[in-house]
Amino acid sequence: DAKTTQPNSMESNEEEPVHLPCNHSTISGTDYIHWYRQLPSQGPEYVIHGLTSNVNNRMASLAIAEDRKSSTLILHRATLRDAAVYYCIPQTGANNLFFGTGTRLTVIP
Amino acid sequence: EPEVTQTPSHQVTQMGQEVILRCVPISNHLYFYWYRQILGQKVEFLVSFYNNEISEKSEIFDDQFSVERPDGSNFTLKIRSTKLEDSAMYFCASSVYGGYQPQHFGDGTRLSIL
Repeated sequence: DAKTTQPNSMESNEEEPVHLPCNHSTISGTDYIHWYRQLPSQGPEYVIHGLTSNVNNRMASLAIAEDRKSSTLILHRATLRDAAVYYCIPQTGANNLFFGTGTRLTVIP
Repeated sequence: EPEVTQTPSHQVTQMGQEVILRCVPISNHLYFYWYRQILGQKVEFLVSFYNNEISEKSEIFDDQFSVERPDGSNFTLKIRSTKLEDSAMYFCASSVYGGYQPQHFGDGTRLSIL
């Protein structure tokens, strides 16, 4: 499984954009890049996933580097509800997700 | 929006006792999963289940663990003889299909072994 590197923590001001980076230099050509988040006292929550092209949904955008060795999750306007641990997870197509330690995002009012 | 529900939210059990954690996956989903998270640690995969069979399991999922889909709606995780180190949050998840499909998680059952 591809190893990931994410900052331990990041801060953002409320209503500002947030760019959460992830390095996954050992990713294979068929691994999708998934992002999940875990709010305090809740289960993980799916955010977005992609393979090669940038992806947008109602929660966030995912920018994938051309060489696929890194990706960035973009929250366009951080709210207090976005304070969570964000996990970048390359998935091999197997049915299991391997969670790392993620990035703890603090949103400052 | 449909969601995965787990019961109970908190289970306290004596060491050596059997415990059953219950989950109701999203109704049209075909794949089901259990994960656990020991306090302060990573979320860890335990097992995935499809078509009434285990499709994958981790090293954590030893003979003390079993899963079952006893009817059309419930998905259960049984721990036969609990140990202190089984204390954790247990999360159930489901997905429409396997592979790259997003997994939808419940809010977990906190299992405390005394």
